[in-house]
Amino acid sequence: DIQMTQSPPSLSASLGDKVTITCQASQNINKYIAWYQQKPGKAPRQLIRYTSSLVSGTPSRFSGSGSGRDYSFSISNVESEDMASYYCLQYDNLWTFGGGTKLEMK
Amino acid sequence: EVQLVESGGGLVQPGRSLKLSCAASGFTFNNYGMAWVCQAPTKGLEWVASISTGGGDTYYRDSVKGRFTISRDNAKNTLYLQMDSLRSEDTATYYCARLIAAISNRFVLDAWGQGASVTVSS
Repeated sequence: DIQMTQSPPSLSASLGDKVTITCQASQNINKYIAWYQQKPGKAPRQLIRYTSSLVSGTPSRFSGSGSGRDYSFSISNVESEDMASYYCLQYDNLWTFGGGTKLEMK
Repeated sequence: EVQLVESGGGLVQPGRSLKLSCAASGFTFNNYGMAWVCQAPTKGLEWVASISTGGGDTYYRDSVKGRFTISRDNAKNTLYLQMDSLRSEDTATYYCARLIAAISNRFVLDAWGQGASVTVSS
């Protein structure tokens, strides 16, 4: 089974900051990684698929990159509505989520 | 508008069974694979099981193999998760999610329901 190591588990940011979250897979996942946002008490919402393709409705301040085993997700110019938990998901071989990152206001 | 509505959650004793349902609308249900994802209280997301469009192919995470069964009724636009021999560690919110085809026969979760809460406790 593929394992996904996501870091950091939590992050503090001020409005306007740029933040970056990383996910490392236990093997090459061929860019088959998606990123989700989840707010408390709500279902996850897909933001990005296939490493860097923004899903319709995702603001352009969100971005993703990477290849092989190493991937990153960034939010530039953080806004208050971005305070949430974020998860990566590999879908190259079955499905595995990263452990999540909670983004909070500094 | 894509809608996925889970039902059937509740409190159940260890060792007993529970069956979750997910009613789909707003899209052609039999054109999409489907999945269940769970989230234990204050924890992260975990994929549980997936099923192909026709139901002939199913996939499970190791911890639920032999205990949980995913199925679907395309005539009723409904996805199911039969959960047997429940354990306290199965306590979680269970989300129904749609799978969409990505490149090279890979499938990614896109639309999600609001979740059904399952508590396994004596």
